Amino acid sequence: DQQVKQNSPSLSVQEGRISILNCDYTNSMFDYFLWYKKYPAEGPTFLISISSIKDKNEDGRFTVFLNKSAKHLSLHIVPSQPGDSAVYFCAASADGAGTALIFGKGTTLSVSS
Amino acid sequence: DAGVIQSPRHEVTEMGQEVTLRCKPISGHNSLFWYRQTMMRGLELLIYFNNNVPIDDSGMPEDRFSAKMPNASFSTLKIQPSEPRDSAVYFCASSFGATTSNEKLFFGSGTQLSVL
Repeated sequence: DQQVKQNSPSLSVQEGRISILNCDYTNSMFDYFLWYKKYPAEGPTFLISISSIKDKNEDGRFTVFLNKSAKHLSLHIVPSQPGDSAVYFCAASADGAGTALIFGKGTTLSVSS
Repeated sequence: DAGVIQSPRHEVTEMGQEVTLRCKPISGHNSLFWYRQTMMRGLELLIYFNNNVPIDDSGMPEDRFSAKMPNASFSTLKIQPSEPRDSAVYFCASSFGATTSNEKLFFGSGTQLSVL
């Protein structure tokens, strides 16, 4: 049973527009959330994170929003660039449980110029 | 630092053969993780170690899979015997710190395994 769900396998966006990638989770114990980015033939790399005590975290063009009541988070990329084309993984963990990160299946973002 | 180093990058083997994947974590990192990526299941955790001790191996598919971490700078993931359904990309990752939750993971480039 997937505890972290990324229901959109792919997303296509034009350069300069906003990309919104969504993630839902089922485990209410999760209290830390991360986004990883993966290019072909490379391992995932950390992009941005958010603690459950916040509802927003921003880093340059990337912003993550957390809605705890809905068990939903989203990653916004503004403006999108062709170099952002990659697979984006949502991940979550429960600090107190000492568990490793649980990842979603990923969403492939394609940004066209 | 060279990052997390995995070998081999690609492995093609026949069903029934033993496969050994290797990983060198980033120096100074206390935790090491093995993940497997497939289209159907995405990135799934197989096992993780903290200070060379296996902490959670609940993700290991079955007894055909085993992992060891004999020292802080080396880990192996072994599949014996291998089956076609084991075909996937296997990632090793490491992180600094005794806990896993708030530490960023640093991934290797992965091993693409194909079992024919």
